[in-house]
Amino acid sequence: GDSVTQMEGPVTLSEEAFLTINCTYTATGYPSLFWYVQYPGEGLQLLLKATKADDKGSNKGFEATYRKETTSFHLEKGSVQVSDSAVYFCALNPPSRAQKLVFGQGTRLTINP
Amino acid sequence: DAGITQSPRHKVTETGTPVTLRCHQTENHRYMYWYRQDPGHGLRLIHYSYGVKDTDKGEVSDGYSVSRSKTEDFLLTLESATSSQTSVYFCAISEPSGVGYEQYFGPGTRLTVT
Repeated sequence: GDSVTQMEGPVTLSEEAFLTINCTYTATGYPSLFWYVQYPGEGLQLLLKATKADDKGSNKGFEATYRKETTSFHLEKGSVQVSDSAVYFCALNPPSRAQKLVFGQGTRLTINP
Repeated sequence: DAGITQSPRHKVTETGTPVTLRCHQTENHRYMYWYRQDPGHGLRLIHYSYGVKDTDKGEVSDGYSVSRSKTEDFLLTLESATSSQTSVYFCAISEPSGVGYEQYFGPGTRLTVT
């Protein structure tokens, strides 16, 4: 079945460090891919998305590229801030089952000043 | 902000009691969803609705039922709560955006079953 695997957390970085959170997926066809962010005590917010191979989603300095050949959608940011501390979820929307998201387990990120 | 509210925001209940969580949206979205969030599992789909009185099961539907009698309200009921249903519950809507759809989430309900 469809699934998403994220790198194990928690991840702790210093401010201004480079961030990568790995995400790989298993799905038939060409799913849409998403990154969501959850700040403490809040619901999930859509961070970015990509709908086809080689698309790059970007928002708030974060980027992720849809790589069909490696079935990956890694999240990157060049210089993280303390305010980026949150839990990040990778998710996919299978093409055969529109609008039903499959989530990874989440990666907790802590940025120290 | 997709105009989604959830009530209650926090609830503590005893094993064996019925519990109903409410999701309310103000923007006439057709699709609505209930997820639960547990450490190590991310979010898992419980049930979803694709219109008034039209619902279907997700991957973790056992022990849960839903109802949607109005477009704006989607109710999740635990008929007889168990400790394994202690979780944070999120409601979501789906709306078209460019190519495909995007889901937006409510603030969540933290349920503790003692």
